[in-house]
Amino acid sequence: DGGITQSPKYLFRKEGQNVTLSCEQNLNHDAMYWYRQDPGQGLRLIYYSQIVNDFQKGDIAEGYSVSREKKESFPLTVTSAQKNPTAFYLCASRLRGLAGELFFGEGSRLTVL
Amino acid sequence: DQQVKQNSPSLSVQEGRISILNCDYTNSMFDYFLWYKKYPAEGPTFLISISSIKDKNEDGRFTVFLNKSAKHLSLHIVPSQPGDSAVYFCAATRGGSNYKLTFGKGTLLTVNP
Repeated sequence: DGGITQSPKYLFRKEGQNVTLSCEQNLNHDAMYWYRQDPGQGLRLIYYSQIVNDFQKGDIAEGYSVSREKKESFPLTVTSAQKNPTAFYLCASRLRGLAGELFFGEGSRLTVL
Repeated sequence: DQQVKQNSPSLSVQEGRISILNCDYTNSMFDYFLWYKKYPAEGPTFLISISSIKDKNEDGRFTVFLNKSAKHLSLHIVPSQPGDSAVYFCAATRGGSNYKLTFGKGTLLTVNP
């Protein structure tokens, strides 16, 4: 089945450690996105990529990094510079060139101990 | 600066009645609007969208209305069912190559049997 797979679903990290969240899609979508959800805050855009080897900062990119070496993969690294990393992280994708919806993965819950 | 606002954090409705969820936006460049439904610890799922060239779009029990002059849109669910209980997010975007969604903070809808 086509879809977006995020892993791990739950992740615990000690302060000062970097962690990488995986996002893989087999929908042949060009664009991919990372959002963060905090209670009462809605979804906020971290990074997005319209094509391979290109990505742009979203509204809250500080403390995060991404790469887009393959069309189907868009990993997010939460660095130790991110002050409040505990959150629910959502990856999404869409076909480029069409006005339409983003398809979301199931999310990854990161907790910093 | 919040460009998409959902001013009601929660809404409670009786089963079979109408649910009306509201959303306001401030960016006049937005030309495409979407509603998503989200359950806890899951990714959002797309419900319905509307282009700025329309003022209404209907899909089964779900209807979205757009009032461009007021920069306001609403989602109507008729009749409401207990399975509709979830958080509903309004999102907006501007078409073009830099396609990204800006989300509101969400409204928790509870449909009581």
